[in-house]
This record gives sequence, structure tokens and C-alpha cells, in this order.
Amino acid sequence: DTGVSQNPRHKITKRGQNVTFRCDPISEHNRLYWYRQTLGQGPEFLTYFQNEAQLEKSRLLSDRFSAERPKGSFSTLEIQRTEQGDSAMYLCASSIAGTGDEKLFFGSGTQLSVL
Amino acid sequence: RKEVEQDPGPFNVPEGATVAFNCTYSNSASQSFFWYRQDCRKEPKLLMSVYSSGNEDGRFTAQLNRASQYISLLIRDSKLSDSATYLCVVATGTASKLTFGTGTRLQVTL
Repeated sequence: DTGVSQNPRHKITKRGQNVTFRCDPISEHNRLYWYRQTLGQGPEFLTYFQNEAQLEKSRLLSDRFSAERPKGSFSTLEIQRTEQGDSAMYLCASSIAGTGDEKLFFGSGTQLSVL
Repeated sequence: RKEVEQDPGPFNVPEGATVAFNCTYSNSASQSFFWYRQDCRKEPKLLMSVYSSGNEDGRFTAQLNRASQYISLLIRDSKLSDSATYLCVVATGTASKLTFGTGTRLQVTL
């Protein structure tokens, strides 16, 4: 499968714990995005990378959230001291920059439940 | 005001019907426009891009009105398999950062 891969698919954690999600983009894609989606809402932008550089972060991304893409390939999203309000689907997407009609391809997401 | 607004529905239509969804966006600097489809508990998938001249892909027709900041999607001859949530999506800036509407839910019935 050469699509965007996310792990784990589901994560249940207790409030206050730290969690980390991983995203492996399509191999030739240089842009990687993280989005969050709650029930009944569209995905909300969190942050994006071009290669290994994190170029933009949403105001939604509090200081408990950190994302990395150390070698410009896979990315991790860590949430520290999780809160119940962090429960959501975390979606990763990738694309190729500079095509003029950039299309995003999404992974299946990681569903986080904070108890 | 939300950046991208859609009627959440649900739209319940019989098989074979024609259904239209509308969407408005607030940022006049928006550059690219898309419709994504999302099945229940699945990731969004690109349905089609939307161009100023309007474009068609089989039973699906998308229209863009930049002056009114309005996007539409028309589905002809609805199939049961068209049942899904349709997300109106707008990209602003060089990074193609996508802003999604809340989605319009379509249910096609026998």
C-alpha cells in the first residue's frame, strides 16, 4: 500500500497521559499536514511541514502539542498531559508542493479517546 | 462567521434523483477549491477540484462563483453508493492549507 499510513488506528488513554501518533506520507510527497476532526465537524488544520521544516502552526495547537518531521519523511504528533477535549480523530495528509493544483491525500487517521 | 459554510443536511433523496449542495466562503483571497467526500469513520477523499469555468466528472458537476464567493456541487442520477458527507474545501495561500466546511450529509434511499 503506497498511501498515507497512520499508527495507531485507535488510542485510548487516561487524562494526563502523553500520547504520540505517527504518520508515514506517500514517499515522494514533500508536504505533510496534521488535521483534527471531531464528530459533526470538518477537519481543522493543526500544522504542516515542507520537508523537515515546520512552516505553520494553527492557534489550535496549544503548547501541549508538538509535531516533528526529523528527516523529512515520517512525522510524529505528541500530545502531553492529555485532556478530554483532545478526544478527536487526528488526520495526516501529504502532498507534492509546487504543482499548481495541490491535492492532499489523507491517511485513515488515529482516533484518540481520552477518559 | 465561519470561513467555509455549508448546510449540514441531512439531504435524503431517492435513487435517481438530482441533488445540489451549496457552500460559501469568506476569504476573497482563496485560490483553490475542492469537494471532498467522507464516508462514515473514514478519511476524506478528493472528489473533484472546482474551476472558475465549472467542471464535470461523470454525474458530478462543480461550479464556482468568485464574485459571490459561492461553490456548488450537483449530483445527477444519485446512487446508493453516493451516500456520504460532502465537504466543501477552500485553499488560501501558497501552502494550499485547506479549510474545510462542516460537510453536508447525503443519504440516498431506495
